[in-house]
Amino acid sequence: ETGVTQTPRHLVMGMTNKKSLKCEQHLGHNAMYWYKQSAKKPLELMFVYSLEERVENNSVPSRFSPECPNSSHLFLHLHTLQPEDSALYLCASSQDWGAGGQPQHFGDGTRLSIL
Amino acid sequence: AQTVTQSQPEMSVQEAETVTLSCTYDTSESDYYLFWYKQPPSRQMILVIRQEAYKQQNATENRFSVNFQKAAKSFSLKISDSQLGDAAMYFCAYRSSYGGSQGNLIFGKGTKLSVKP
Repeated sequence: ETGVTQTPRHLVMGMTNKKSLKCEQHLGHNAMYWYKQSAKKPLELMFVYSLEERVENNSVPSRFSPECPNSSHLFLHLHTLQPEDSALYLCASSQDWGAGGQPQHFGDGTRLSIL
Repeated sequence: AQTVTQSQPEMSVQEAETVTLSCTYDTSESDYYLFWYKQPPSRQMILVIRQEAYKQQNATENRFSVNFQKAAKSFSLKISDSQLGDAAMYFCAYRSSYGGSQGNLIFGKGTKLSVKP
């Protein structure tokens, strides 16, 4: 069983739709992350939650809205997206936020396509 | 701000041979961590190897080893006895030893490794 599970694996939506991405971690970690992965670009950190509090918001457009109802679950709510938002969205978790050598554990990602 | 550079967008290796992936980084800090992550096609990104900057000894994990040159700010990954399952995107990443925002991972653009049978 993978430690970090993301659903759905693939999502196609129109620009006017509203959808949500879900991430669940079974590792007992305190920090969770959303990344955007586009071709030929470094992973872009979008949001960080530590102990269910948002601690990082890297100039992400408001059409992306994160939610962390508890330490095991993380959502990314999407609305009125643009074609350039098509990408692989990765969720990750780590024991603590930004703590030295602790690795981040990643999910499989959600491949998002905006029509 | 720290940056991570992977100068090889694509690499290819023959099965059972050895390949080295390059990574350089820029930082003014003396204490930090470096990582190599592997992302197979349509699969999960996983940690391959980790190096602590204050340790002079190069990290090794089975067929994977690093050549860490702190003064040169270089952190290359060597894969020995390459296997078909090693085909993936490889990402080099940097993390400050400080906590909070400074401790966020900074990734390179990645190197796509192909393994020829």
